[in-house]
Amino acid sequence: GESVGLHLPTLSVQEGDNSIINCAYSNSASDYFIWYKQESGKGPQFIIDIRSNMDKRQGQRVTVLLNKTVKHLSLQIAATQPGDSAVYFCAENKGLTGGGNKLTFGTGTQLKVEL
Amino acid sequence: DTAVSQTPKYLVTQMGNDKSIKCEQNLGHDTMYWYKQDSKKFLKIMFSYNNKELIINETVPNRFSPKSPDKAHLNLHINSLELGDSAVYFCASSQGRLAGGLNFGPGTRLTVT
Repeated sequence: GESVGLHLPTLSVQEGDNSIINCAYSNSASDYFIWYKQESGKGPQFIIDIRSNMDKRQGQRVTVLLNKTVKHLSLQIAATQPGDSAVYFCAENKGLTGGGNKLTFGTGTQLKVEL
Repeated sequence: DTAVSQTPKYLVTQMGNDKSIKCEQNLGHDTMYWYKQDSKKFLKIMFSYNNKELIINETVPNRFSPKSPDKAHLNLHINSLELGDSAVYFCASSQGRLAGGLNFGPGTRLTVT
């Protein structure tokens, strides 16, 4: 299943299916992008990142795709499991002169895995 | 060992009160942040300190005052609490150019009645 992460939509997928979560970012100067997973009652957890000089990066069961032309980011989760149920956020970063970073989050997508 | 810790986890208080949330990180990171997450799960940066120096101060009411006594601590003090301050507040830390992203704390759920 797919979703666009501009509101807080819910994406429901069957266990074992692949999930695709989409995100549109706003700042063409952003040079680093991160996907976070937030489980209920917890803080966001890093999943995978990608720099602006790449268009694809793979991790364990997850793949991030970056399309700078249309400022679009997606997270693909293979063989979705019940433990993947959470809210997923994309985030874009712009480094600050003198140190530090400004990480801006998208609005999140709720992923629900049905047994 | 908890990398980024916050206290308290829950805070219920009345309008007009003053309260503080504490944050500590044991990762040796140079930069710390406060984020606010509203009821729609939207995460917005409030403040950032790099080596105890304030580097990000978003349009936050001046009732909110961050204090960084040292690199490992960033506390958030809120004066004259309002109903709209109810949210989950997350502390985070990072090092360098964000390789590996921000490390978030478990959050503090603030409820103003």
